[in-house]
Amino acid sequence: DVKVTQSSRYLVKRTGEKVFLECVQDMDHENMFWYRQDPGLGLRLIYFSYDVKMKEKGDIPEGYSVSREKKERFSLILESASTNQTSMYLCASSLADRRSNYGYTFGSGTRLTVV
Amino acid sequence: DQQVKQNSPSLSVQEGRISILNCDYTNSMFDYFLWYKKYPAEGPTFLISISSIKDKNEDGRFTVFLNKSAKHLSLHIVPSQPGDSAVYFCAANTDKLIFGTGTRLQVFP
Repeated sequence: DVKVTQSSRYLVKRTGEKVFLECVQDMDHENMFWYRQDPGLGLRLIYFSYDVKMKEKGDIPEGYSVSREKKERFSLILESASTNQTSMYLCASSLADRRSNYGYTFGSGTRLTVV
Repeated sequence: DQQVKQNSPSLSVQEGRISILNCDYTNSMFDYFLWYKKYPAEGPTFLISISSIKDKNEDGRFTVFLNKSAKHLSLHIVPSQPGDSAVYFCAANTDKLIFGTGTRLQVFP
């Protein structure tokens, strides 16, 4: 079974803190993605990566950065957490064939609360 | 600019009846459409997909219909079961998945 593991299920951080969300996949997938889910807004793409050391901005990259030093690991970084970044964060991975009819495999999510 | 839209935020259906979830899109270049199901505190899981060259795909109780001229797809669940209660997202694939806003389905006894 493809597994995408997110290091934390729940996190509470203070405004202004630097926050790291870690994601690891074990199926040698080339592509990795970070989404956030908010009520009424669905899943919005923050950043994605098609290869090691490579990153591309998604639809809402402001306030975030990413790191992909190894193929299996994709980290999302909140440089200075703010309350409007309180959300459910979802990591996903997929094969390099982007036009796949099986889409992505998602992790269980990290519920981040910024106070 | 919402390229994939789910206009019904919620749907309530009695157990055993049909659930119909709808999705509209704007980009005619999408080549695959997918449905995901999400329970609270879990990541979305793939449910069913359809290629843009087809108009129907069926998998057990789940059928997806695609109407390209109307840029509309729908997911039918027959018969609906209480375990189907979840949020359903439609998604369209180009070089990455674009998701709709989701529809919360509640199946009651």
